Amino acid sequence: AQKVTQAQTEISVVEKEDVTLDCVYETRDTTYYLFWYKQPPSGELVFLIRRNSFDEQNEISGRYSWNFQKSTSSFNFTITASQVVDSAVYFCALSEVDSGNTPLVFGKGTRLSVIA
Amino acid sequence: ETGVTQTPRHLVMGMTNKKSLKCEQHLGHNAMYWYKQSAKKPLELMFVYNFKEQTENNSVPSRFSPECPNSSHLFLHLHTLQPEDSALYLCASSPGHSGANVLTFGAGSRLTVL
Repeated sequence: AQKVTQAQTEISVVEKEDVTLDCVYETRDTTYYLFWYKQPPSGELVFLIRRNSFDEQNEISGRYSWNFQKSTSSFNFTITASQVVDSAVYFCALSEVDSGNTPLVFGKGTRLSVIA
Repeated sequence: ETGVTQTPRHLVMGMTNKKSLKCEQHLGHNAMYWYKQSAKKPLELMFVYNFKEQTENNSVPSRFSPECPNSSHLFLHLHTLQPEDSALYLCASSPGHSGANVLTFGAGSRLTVL
């Protein structure tokens, strides 16, 4: 069985603050992929990042960074110097490969509100 | 048009109506998906089609009937729905059905069942 937990339901920050969105996952597979998607008010999920289970290197893309730690089964997402346009619902998701390329399973999402 | 397009964007229907949701992708992808997004629930996978063949049916009630006539089009036929079926229905596509593949989503069809 696989499970993705995003314990933070809603977060509010003031513009320019840094914010970290937590994601904890469960899987018995050794080969799997983790994803983050952003859902702005328009409704469309936008892909942000994919990480495979063998690549624990942290990644930075502009103001976004991701911290993947297999030891704690976490894949956390940090936004530095947040902006109002970052306001959205953010989803963490998991796909297993060993279990037969299972479709994406999503966490419940974290709603981020950035206040000007 | 590019990406994944869903129509209609909003739909209101009675419990006895029959309607359909349409999804079209212009990305040359071979796998298409229906997800349901309800308030306070995680995104739930409903159906997966890979090369027009249904590969996943996630215990979805028979009042939801998918159709995939080709790799570019996916339909969700709705009949005798219940109010709890009100939700945002999201279509997605990917190059193939692989755990590594990134899904590209449409903007969704918001369904209200009265």
